Amino acid sequence: QVQLVQSGAEVKKPGASVKVSCKTSGYTFTSYDINWVRQATGQGLEWMGWMNPNSGNTGYALRFQGRVTMTKNTSISTVYMELSSLGSEDTAVYYCARANVGFDVNFDYWGQGTLVTVSS
Amino acid sequence: QSVLTQPPSASGTPGQRVTISCSGSSSNIGTNYVYWYQQLPGAAPKLLISRNNQRPSGVPDRFSGSKSGTSAFLAISWLRSEDEADYYCAAWDDGLFAGVFGPGTNVTVL
Repeated sequence: QVQLVQSGAEVKKPGASVKVSCKTSGYTFTSYDINWVRQATGQGLEWMGWMNPNSGNTGYALRFQGRVTMTKNTSISTVYMELSSLGSEDTAVYYCARANVGFDVNFDYWGQGTLVTVSS
Repeated sequence: QSVLTQPPSASGTPGQRVTISCSGSSSNIGTNYVYWYQQLPGAAPKLLISRNNQRPSGVPDRFSGSKSGTSAFLAISWLRSEDEADYYCAAWDDGLFAGVFGPGTNVTVL
């Protein structure tokens, strides 16, 4: 069965970086894009960007450009999302989600979420 | 502010029908597919409606989606207590070249 398993919770200081992993299984890793979506406590969903594990191509939401980097390790079917220059406003649960089609928001499977807390 | 607009809340009694609206523009809903996600408390979002009106396997037929112009709608028929959740609409935006979500609608079963 398709599974997306994310790394554990993180606590970071302002100005630091965080790298969250999303390990996939149950399907061909290179056949589906992985998107990242975050959710601050009590708030709505916010799309951050996508990565095509086959080509390595990425696309980021404007507000995160310059601060987010999505990478992959094909040998272990894992995608990573690194966010730098963290501020308190980056405290949120970060989700990876499999996209059925590129340039779309058809997210058929989701990771369990990773809580990132930014605090001094 | 979200690119897509949803009412913050909706409610109904068991057995009733509830409809949630999602308003966008020509660059998102007017051009691309709309998706609906259900998020139960403490859980990850779940795909509820795909490509405007398609139900993924396992989604009850009490849930239905539709689209007209730059607006989309999610209807929940025969409301049940387990339908209490947040519901989000989403679409790709060709102008932003990004995915966009609505702010979410919290559904309460009275």
